[in-house]
Amino acid sequence: RKEVEQDPGPFNVPEGATVAFNCTYSNSASQSFFWYRQDCRKEPKLLMSVYSSGNEDGRFTAQLNRASQYISLLIRDSKLSDSATYLCVVIYMFSGGYNKLIFGAGTRLAVHP
Amino acid sequence: DTAVSQTPKYLVTQMGNDKSIKCEQNLGHDTMYWYKQDSKKFLKIMFSYNNKELIINETVPNRFSPKSPDKAHLNLHINSLELGDSAVYFCASSLLTSNHEQFFGPGTRLTVL
Repeated sequence: RKEVEQDPGPFNVPEGATVAFNCTYSNSASQSFFWYRQDCRKEPKLLMSVYSSGNEDGRFTAQLNRASQYISLLIRDSKLSDSATYLCVVIYMFSGGYNKLIFGAGTRLAVHP
Repeated sequence: DTAVSQTPKYLVTQMGNDKSIKCEQNLGHDTMYWYKQDSKKFLKIMFSYNNKELIINETVPNRFSPKSPDKAHLNLHINSLELGDSAVYFCASSLLTSNHEQFFGPGTRLTVL
């Protein structure tokens, strides 16, 4: 089983739609969680952190369920510019305060007019 | 511009050759990373250095040798290139004491013929 699993998509949605991505992780010792965004042929960039209480940043809402080891990202009112691959990221910390990011394979979103 | 930069952006070479990829960050970060993103788009950590010291060394063939001359630079040398080494290699950096956000370079697309 992969450490971080995501539905690869693609999700093809019209502008203005609401779309949700899910992610599950296998190691309950995971300590921090993020969503990164990667545009085609570009580097990944941090989209938002994910907190247990849930957090929102404009049209984006992230949720974490530690009991189910499940993370979600909701995008409301989709824009054409949201078309990208969304990477679920789980962090393990180990001795010395160092951390390791484990990336999911990503979920591709295509927003069309 | 403050950023993580990598050279070269593209690298096409024959099997069996030795090549290097360079990475520099001017963000004042103390930790740097090399990731490999294969054709299935999986982004996997290879190495991590903190203040020139190796802290993560995943199961990577010993043909791959990272070198960190100072905390702003992390280079990757690859000996005896194989077809399976074809991928995009991303360098990243972060502050150990930060919220773990990693900043990625633009990537080096390596093609081994």
